[in-house]
Amino acid sequence: DAKTTQPNSMESNEEEPVHLPCNHSTISGTDYIHWYRQLPSQGPEYVIHGLTSNVNNRMASLAIAEDRKSSTLILHRATLRDAAVYYCILIERRDDKIIFGKGTRLHILP
Amino acid sequence: KAGVTQTPRYLIKTRGQQVTLSCSPISGHRSVSWYQQTPGQGLQFLFEYFSETQRNKGNFPGRFSGRQFSNSRSEMNVSTLELGDSALYLCASSLDWNTDTQYFGPGTRLTVL
Repeated sequence: DAKTTQPNSMESNEEEPVHLPCNHSTISGTDYIHWYRQLPSQGPEYVIHGLTSNVNNRMASLAIAEDRKSSTLILHRATLRDAAVYYCILIERRDDKIIFGKGTRLHILP
Repeated sequence: KAGVTQTPRYLIKTRGQQVTLSCSPISGHRSVSWYQQTPGQGLQFLFEYFSETQRNKGNFPGRFSGRQFSNSRSEMNVSTLELGDSALYLCASSLDWNTDTQYFGPGTRLTVL
């Protein structure tokens, strides 16, 4: 099964950019990379997803390496409200399984 | 549009009992998936239903089962509860599971004593 690897935790200062890395070295050609985040006491919420090209939306940007073995979620200007656990998820179409990484707990310092 | 709702929000059971959790998806969503979240194992996929059929299943024992009704509402059942089943159970709905954004409910916190 393809797996994702993320750092356990990261810290960033408020109003600065944050780069959250994810390694997925065994990704296959048709697997999508999804990012979700979970705020305290809430269910996860969708952030962004992509296949090969970099993606932008109002919440974040997703930078995908050329070989697709890693990706980086970019929060352009972190706020206190962005403190959450961020999950990098590989949608493995071949096996129809969803495999979650352990997630990165992001701390935002005021 | 109303979000995903789960009932009950909190539940306390004892070992050996069984429990049924309910999930009402966003209107129009036909895919409902269930997840177990524990501090030690993180977020783990249980199963996914689409149009009343279980399409995908994670690596959980047969004590964990589910079903989906014609209105897309879904129930999850756990029989013969064990202490290790204490967890937050989340459901998510989407138009289609592996191509569309999943919308998660707030979860049901199950405590097994």
